[in-house]
Amino acid sequence: KQEVTQIPAALSVPEGENLVLNCSFTDSAIYNLQWFRQDPGKGLTSLLLIQSSQREQTSGRLNASLDKSSGRSTLYIAASQPGDSATYLCAVNNNDMRFGAGTRLTVKP
Amino acid sequence: GAVVSQHPSWVICKSGTSVKIECRSLDFQATTMFWYRQFPKQSLMLMATSNEGSKATYEQGVEKDKFLINHASLTLSTLTVTSAHPEDSSFYICSASWTGHYEQYFGPGTRLTVT
Repeated sequence: KQEVTQIPAALSVPEGENLVLNCSFTDSAIYNLQWFRQDPGKGLTSLLLIQSSQREQTSGRLNASLDKSSGRSTLYIAASQPGDSATYLCAVNNNDMRFGAGTRLTVKP
Repeated sequence: GAVVSQHPSWVICKSGTSVKIECRSLDFQATTMFWYRQFPKQSLMLMATSNEGSKATYEQGVEKDKFLINHASLTLSTLTVTSAHPEDSSFYICSASWTGHYEQYFGPGTRLTVT
């Protein structure tokens, strides 16, 4: 059964810092990996989707990488802003979608 | 494109009653729909997968007689929480996709509070 782990569980940084969120998974036979943002009490906002054949995806200040063979993905956030404060979830899809527990990010002004 | 809606967005019900949550794909035909549950400060856990016209497949530990799923059309799936108890209070999120497409599109979620 696929296990998804996210490190760290929580992260607090000052505004302007670059940061990296980590995601690891146990079964590399995936179709894709997706990063989501979730604000408190809200649903999911899809940030980036990486297909299994891709190594990275970029959107604005966000860059996600995928190393399928080692079962790892990272989400890089450049020049963090207080509005980036949220929980970031990693999910891997191999028939079923399995989510990590998330990283709760706080960006302080 | 690929928009999924849920109704209601929040609901409060009394213990022992049943509540139905709807999940609709607005601009595509969803051959497969998924139901997730998220307890406070926890991640999403898959409850069940439903294919249009077939019985849902439930994850281990999810009671199929308590969480009734109906996927009678290509645009609508419903989750009915029967005889709800306070421990069923949670955030329920659905997602939808279609055959051969390996991306899921998520609804905005329904917050259920059982008093």
